[in-house]
Amino acid sequence: DVKVTQSSRYLVKRTGEKVFLECVQDMDHENMFWYRQDPGLGLRLIYFSYDVKMKEKGDIPEGYSVSREKKERFSLILESASTNQTSMYLCASSNRGLRGSSPLHFGNGTRLTVT
Amino acid sequence: SQQGEEDPQALSIQEGENATMNCSYKTSINNLQWYRQNSGRGLVHLILIRSNEREKHSGRLRVTLDTSKKSSSLLITASRAADTASYFCATALNYGGSQGNLIFGKGTKLSVKP
Repeated sequence: DVKVTQSSRYLVKRTGEKVFLECVQDMDHENMFWYRQDPGLGLRLIYFSYDVKMKEKGDIPEGYSVSREKKERFSLILESASTNQTSMYLCASSNRGLRGSSPLHFGNGTRLTVT
Repeated sequence: SQQGEEDPQALSIQEGENATMNCSYKTSINNLQWYRQNSGRGLVHLILIRSNEREKHSGRLRVTLDTSKKSSSLLITASRAADTASYFCATALNYGGSQGNLIFGKGTKLSVKP
């Protein structure tokens, strides 16, 4: 079974802090994704990566950056956390597939609160 | 605007009844996927239906796809309390070079009462 592990279930940070959210997958998947989920807005794609050191912006990349130095690890960075970044963050991975032909495997999420 | 929209937003049924959720989308798709999310957890993939398929089954789940109407439905038969969750459709667009970029709807919240 594919396992996607997010380093923290709950995180509380202060405004202006630099925040790192870590995600590791154990199935040698090429694609990795970061989404945020907010009530009434559903899931929105922040960034995704289809290979090591490769990244593409999703729908809402502002205020975020990512790092993929190793195939199994995809990190989301909040350069200077703000209260509007309080949200549930979901990491996912999938096999390389043309135009979304592979299902996504999700971690259990990190609920981030910025005070 | 949202590519996929689920309907209804919320559904409450008794155990043993069938639950039907619908998803409509706007543009041509390569495939459509359904996911389940238990409260406070990540999403779990349920089923993928390709654009050239009309119906797919997996256990108590039945998914249909009507590309002419740009809609899909998820039927859960003989529901159980453990089916209580939010259900999302996700569409993979049939154009563009991005790999694996799915667009999720806002979900249907299903409550199955024992």
